[in-house]
Amino acid sequence: DTGVSQNPRHKITKRGQNVTFRCDPISEHNRLYWYRQTLGQGPEFLTYFQNEAQLEKSRLLSDRFSAERPKGSFSTLEIQRTEQGDSAMYLCASSLGPIEPAETQYFGPGTRLLVL
Amino acid sequence: TQLLEQSPQFLSIQEGENLTVYCNSSSVFSSLQWYRQEPGEGPVLLVTVVTGGEVKKLKRLTFQFGDARKDSSLHITAAQPGDTGLYLCAAMNYGGSQGNLIFGKGTKLSVKP
Repeated sequence: DTGVSQNPRHKITKRGQNVTFRCDPISEHNRLYWYRQTLGQGPEFLTYFQNEAQLEKSRLLSDRFSAERPKGSFSTLEIQRTEQGDSAMYLCASSLGPIEPAETQYFGPGTRLLVL
Repeated sequence: TQLLEQSPQFLSIQEGENLTVYCNSSSVFSSLQWYRQEPGEGPVLLVTVVTGGEVKKLKRLTFQFGDARKDSSLHITAAQPGDTGLYLCAAMNYGGSQGNLIFGKGTKLSVKP
């Protein structure tokens, strides 16, 4: 299967701990996106990369959130000092970029985070 | 701020019934996408519509983009239990963050056998 993969699929942590999630995009895709989805809501954009450059990070929810894509391939999303409100599904998506008529983003299965 | 409003929020029907879900906005979009998401999984793209008035069919699913490109609908004919899931509409945000998708809250569909 050469789709987008995310690890771990589930993470339970205690409040105040740091967590890191990994996303492996489809191999030839140069764009990588992170979204967060809470119960009863659609995905909410957090940040995205074009190759290794992080082009938008103003939507990261606080300075406790950071993301990297060091070699333009896989990406990590880190949440420091987790809070119960961080409990959500964290989704990664990748794409080839803007291709007419519209960009297609392919989503991974997500990492479900529960902060106790 | 571009917002996508979906209705209804929840829909529970019997197998074999028809249904329509809606996605509305006050903004004009160059394209609009529909996704289906199953519990514990990421969204899967169903269709992209780009032309005002466009109608696309995918087996028992019919998608329509409004003439003014502000709204869209998804009609399912003879629904089956396998259609159960969360249906999300999404549009590309061409505001400050070019390239990210804006999603509606979704319509949660349950089809009972």
